[in-house]
Amino acid sequence: DAKTTQPPSMDCAEGRAANLPCNHSTISGNEYVYWYRQIHSQGPQYIIHGLKNNETNEMASLIITEDRKSSTLILPHATLRDTAVYYCIVRVANTGTASKLTFGTGTRLQVTL
Amino acid sequence: EPEVTQTPSHQVTQMGQEVILRCVPISNHLYFYWYRQILGQKVEFLVSFYNNEISEKSEIFDDQFSVERPDGSNFTLKIRSTKLEDSAMYFCASSEGTGFRSYNSPLHFGNGTRLTVT
Repeated sequence: DAKTTQPPSMDCAEGRAANLPCNHSTISGNEYVYWYRQIHSQGPQYIIHGLKNNETNEMASLIITEDRKSSTLILPHATLRDTAVYYCIVRVANTGTASKLTFGTGTRLQVTL
Repeated sequence: EPEVTQTPSHQVTQMGQEVILRCVPISNHLYFYWYRQILGQKVEFLVSFYNNEISEKSEIFDDQFSVERPDGSNFTLKIRSTKLEDSAMYFCASSEGTGFRSYNSPLHFGNGTRLTVT
């Protein structure tokens, strides 16, 4: 799986948009970009994923550059409950076998008042 | 919303004892996974399971570990003879397995079992 690079930590004021960057310059054509987060020691929580088009759901938006070498997760109105470690993961498309996620160290997002 | 459930939430065992960690994946999911996270470290992949057999395992998943789907709902991780270094959070996950959605279906994780080996 392609490796990802994320800043170790970021701060965001409550109510503002949090923009979390991720570099995945070695991504292959059959690899998706996934974002998860982990709050304290809870299980990782799925946020969003995409292949090449921008994606939006009730939690966040995912912006993938045209060359697919980087992406940005956007939390439009961060709250204190969004304080967590955010993981950007590149994952091979599941082609009939179980395709694992490989977690890195992620970005620790601290949302402040 | 359906979720992955894990029991127990916390297990304490003595070194050398066998433990079984239990998971109930989401009901229509066909791919199953175990991960672990030692305190302060990364979430590490242990094993994936599909169609009643192991799909992939990591170097961590040695002969002391085994997985089983004993019935239609449970997915278990057994550690035969626990060591101090097995102390960690163990997370179970599952993902869908039918149709086109299986090609990019996300993993859904439980909230883990904290295993403490003394």
